[in-house]
Amino acid sequence: DARVTQTPRHKVTEMGQEVTMRCQPILGHNTVFWYRQTMMQGLELLAYFRNRAPLDDSGMPKDRFSAEMPDATLATLKIQPSEPRDSAVYFCASGLVRLAGTNNEQFFGPGTRLTVL
Amino acid sequence: AQKVTQAQTEISVVEKEDVTLDCVYETRDTTYYLFWYKQPPSGELVFLIRRNSFDEQNEISGRYSWNFQKSTSSFNFTITASQVVDSAVYFCALSAYTGRRALTFGSGTRLQVQP
Repeated sequence: DARVTQTPRHKVTEMGQEVTMRCQPILGHNTVFWYRQTMMQGLELLAYFRNRAPLDDSGMPKDRFSAEMPDATLATLKIQPSEPRDSAVYFCASGLVRLAGTNNEQFFGPGTRLTVL
Repeated sequence: AQKVTQAQTEISVVEKEDVTLDCVYETRDTTYYLFWYKQPPSGELVFLIRRNSFDEQNEISGRYSWNFQKSTSSFNFTITASQVVDSAVYFCALSAYTGRRALTFGSGTRLQVQP
């Protein structure tokens, strides 16, 4: 049963600390998305990659957030320095996207619940 | 720009009642995808359905059915004979058919099914 995995599931840290979240997409998927869920903003896109190349990170605060895919089995989202307003659930999703339609389901990981004190 | 509106913030029903969750969307694309996801109390996001904009046939899967009406830009979700396990937040989402495939989500509808 293929699933997206995310670590850690929960993270509590103090303001100013670096936070790294990791995601392992479903094997064979070529697209990875990072979303953030907050009560105020709902679910919003932070960044996404196709074939490991960043395609869109317009939703990400550039001064403190960075996203990378060191290889096809690992995506990372880093916050440095973290702030209390970064407290949220961060979801990673993966999908197999082909040209011109056909199949665009995104499968979500369980999320990382981040609390910045 | 894309936008998804779920006007119903919270719905409460009694078990075995039918319930419809509304979704209205805006997009300039002529072809696109629509989705529904379920977020149970445990927090994960569970994929329910994807619909292509050029396929307006309604779909039924067990107690779930979806009504897509392109003329009114709506993609409504009906649960027949609701059960307590259906209690969750349900999200409608939209993505482009080509190019940028990221999902634009609605704000969600919290469904509470009382026993």
